Amino acid sequence: KQEVTQIPAALSVPEGENLVLNCSFTDSAIYNLQWFRQDPGKGLTSLLLIQSSQREQTSGRLNASLDKSSGRSTLYIAASQPGDSATYLCAVVAGQFYFGTGTSLTVIP
Amino acid sequence: EAGVAQSPRYKIIEKRQSVAFWCNPISGHATLYWYQQILGQGPKLLIQFQNNGVVDDSQLPKDRFSAERLKGVDSTLKIQPAKLEDSAVYLCASSSHGQGNEQYFGPGTRLTVT
Repeated sequence: KQEVTQIPAALSVPEGENLVLNCSFTDSAIYNLQWFRQDPGKGLTSLLLIQSSQREQTSGRLNASLDKSSGRSTLYIAASQPGDSATYLCAVVAGQFYFGTGTSLTVIP
Repeated sequence: EAGVAQSPRYKIIEKRQSVAFWCNPISGHATLYWYQQILGQGPKLLIQFQNNGVVDDSQLPKDRFSAERLKGVDSTLKIQPAKLEDSAVYLCASSSHGQGNEQYFGPGTRLTVT
């Protein structure tokens, strides 16, 4: 069974810092990987989708990488802003979506 | 385009009562998912529909949970009878072609069972 782990569970950084969120998965036979953002009391907003054949995807200040062989993905956020404060979840698709438990990010003004 | 709609947004019931949630996916999306998200955890898939057929319901507690998508568009998820451990946010999501495509989520229904 696929298991998805996200480290750290919580992260607090000052505004303007670049940061990296980590996602690891146990089975490299995945179809794709998706990063989401979840604000308190809200649903999930899709940030980036990486197909299994891709190495990375970029959207604005966000860059996600995928290394299937090592079972890892990273989400890089450049020049963090207070509005980036949220929980970030990764999900791998292998028959179904398997979610990690998320990283709670706080960007301090 | 309109997003995934869910109702109600909040529901409080007593244990052993029944409750139903409604979801309307993005127009044209064939695949619909129901997830349960317990506080502090990632979403867990309960059931996946492709049009009006069930693709995966392996993690649905079928003794108390049921779901249907009769016309291949909107869907309802029912819990009967509810238990305390069912307190969670129930999320609905849709995608255009199943697992290969991006999922779009609704705002969720927060259920509290007392």
